[in-house]
Amino acid sequence: DAGVIQSPRHEVTEMGQEVTLRCKPISGHNSLFWYRQTMMRGLELLIYFNNNVPIDDSGMPEDRFSAKMPNASFSTLKIQPSEPRDSAVYFCASSFPPSGYNEQFFGPGTRLTVL
Amino acid sequence: GNSVTQMEGPVTLSEEAFLTINCTYTATGYPSLFWYVQYPGEGLQLLLKATKADDKGSNKGFEATYRKETTSFHLEKGSVQVSDSAVYFCALFSNTGNQFYFGTGTSLTVIP
Repeated sequence: DAGVIQSPRHEVTEMGQEVTLRCKPISGHNSLFWYRQTMMRGLELLIYFNNNVPIDDSGMPEDRFSAKMPNASFSTLKIQPSEPRDSAVYFCASSFPPSGYNEQFFGPGTRLTVL
Repeated sequence: GNSVTQMEGPVTLSEEAFLTINCTYTATGYPSLFWYVQYPGEGLQLLLKATKADDKGSNKGFEATYRKETTSFHLEKGSVQVSDSAVYFCALFSNTGNQFYFGTGTSLTVIP
């Protein structure tokens, strides 16, 4: 089992550029979550999907952020245009369909630096 | 609503000391409770879990008991090791909201 796969692991870009982060959830998992982690704000839920459908995007900071899940095995988080305050580690996590309780499986994260 | 409150860090202990990290929660319905651990440079990984009141989760010498009467899920370990240095997150899963709620994390450093 390869676990949740995220790419790239590290991204350095300049302010104003478009950034795309990618995630492949564990096969068979129907829920996918995007988190952002910073020293100041800790771990924040940005958006989550059930069966490829966005359920709650209230954590997305602003319109510069968008997320898609075109199929069960792939999701993207896009920032356009990027700003220095977007620098953070972005985690993707997946879980089984909601039934009683869910354990989330986290990817290794993408460390984003916006100069 | 649902929320998790855990003790502020950072926590620094000597090797073989006793560890307690407090966690309390507010939830509607009957949540499941979790402790996740994040080692430096890595993602979060599940440490232990409890799905109903009075359940005790345990793993790698860590324990936590789901206390409904005090709405708590404190993490304990009798003798910490340097390799336990990490950030620990308390979390709950709510059936009513079908969402996870994470605490702010507690950083633990164990010194030899």
